[in-house]
Amino acid sequence: NAGVTQTPKFQVLKTGQSMTLQCAQDMNHEYMSWYRQDPGMGLRLIHYSVGAGITDQGEVPNGYNVSRSTTEDFPLRLLSAAPSQTSVYFCASSSGLPSSYEQYFGPGTRLTVT
Amino acid sequence: RKEVEQDPGPFNVPEGATVAFNCTYSNSASQSFFWYRQDCRKEPKLLMSVYSSGNEDGRFTAQLNRASQYISLLIRDSKLSDSATYLCVVSRSASKIIFGSGTRLSIRP
Repeated sequence: NAGVTQTPKFQVLKTGQSMTLQCAQDMNHEYMSWYRQDPGMGLRLIHYSVGAGITDQGEVPNGYNVSRSTTEDFPLRLLSAAPSQTSVYFCASSSGLPSSYEQYFGPGTRLTVT
Repeated sequence: RKEVEQDPGPFNVPEGATVAFNCTYSNSASQSFFWYRQDCRKEPKLLMSVYSSGNEDGRFTAQLNRASQYISLLIRDSKLSDSATYLCVVSRSASKIIFGSGTRLSIRP
């Protein structure tokens, strides 16, 4: 099993550009989440999904969209990139509610917005 | 004030030492507690869940004190491979999963 995979590993965007961060898991987990990690701050929840077709907002959803058309994939879209979105983005999956179960994280995408 | 607070460290201790970290949380409705470990430029990985009665996994012991609203992690007989950042996680719902900013631990030979 590959676990949780993310692409790309690195990305540089100009302000105003849009892009999609890809996330896939092969563990048949119902629950998937997106976090961002900034220096001096803990990981912050952006969006999460409790199953295909169901998504909800986390702590910092503004500027990001998600969809969940399959159990395996949970892409994160940046609509119009801003320098404040420079961060490391982690996708995670879990077999139960992420608030109660172990989360498995992908290797992360390092995004720089200039 | 942050909802979950950790001493950022770094803690620099010799191999074989015992080291302890605390993590305080402000919301008394918090229900689940975890310690994750994150190596430099890598993803977080679960170290252990924290139960009300306290729990131990080898050299690692986690405790929860609901009255004082903190959790702790004790590492005995520390190894060089224990060098990492330790993240405290407190949650109360699917949308309220709060990560601390982490405590850096460096073990020296």
